[in-house]
Amino acid sequence: SQQGEEDPQALSIQEGENATMNCSYKTSINNLQWYRQNSGRGLVHLILIRSNEREKHSGRLRVTLDTSKKSSSLLITASRAADTASYFCATDDNNNDMRFGAGTRLTVKP
Amino acid sequence: KAGVTQTPRYLIKTRGQQVTLSCSPISGHRSVSWYQQTPGQGLQFLFEYFSETQRNKGNFPGRFSGRQFSNSRSEMNVSTLELGDSALYLCASSLGQAYYEQYFGPGTRLTVT
Repeated sequence: SQQGEEDPQALSIQEGENATMNCSYKTSINNLQWYRQNSGRGLVHLILIRSNEREKHSGRLRVTLDTSKKSSSLLITASRAADTASYFCATDDNNNDMRFGAGTRLTVKP
Repeated sequence: KAGVTQTPRYLIKTRGQQVTLSCSPISGHRSVSWYQQTPGQGLQFLFEYFSETQRNKGNFPGRFSGRQFSNSRSEMNVSTLELGDSALYLCASSLGQAYYEQYFGPGTRLTVT
């Protein structure tokens, strides 16, 4: 079963705009990760944030984590057409269960 | 370093048959995890192996099994295939715990007819 739920399910923006995706989860977690998947291929790890961290940056990516609300957001700044992909959040908990959300489909128009 | 490789990339099987999928992790990675991805259920965790031992298992029937060899290569087997087993099967490797950065292979697209 899925743990996280990404919001929105689909997002379409123009190149240069920022894209924000949200992930909510249900149980307490140890870590939350974001992955990108291009068109039915393997996933690429973007960033990991631990439960005791609140914010993390990596290049044009910014991830926040609010454990009190059981939610995380992924911000991609100055988006490019190459950012077009599906983005998934994944959580692991004390039961060592690894769960992925349903994903947000991002389309960046040139 | 070579990435995670999965073979075969595409497979068509008939209901009732069995199938074996193979995954070669990145050199030095000892953890291998398997996932099933379908449009309806999304990405679901199957199991994780570390040093030839299954460490964690998802909520899948016993028809789904796996193993890991001493060189960390892993195989996944599905017996008595059902139409609902049609999916993209992804393998991921990591250095230690599966719950840190995972490197995914391109997947095996299984179609059951």
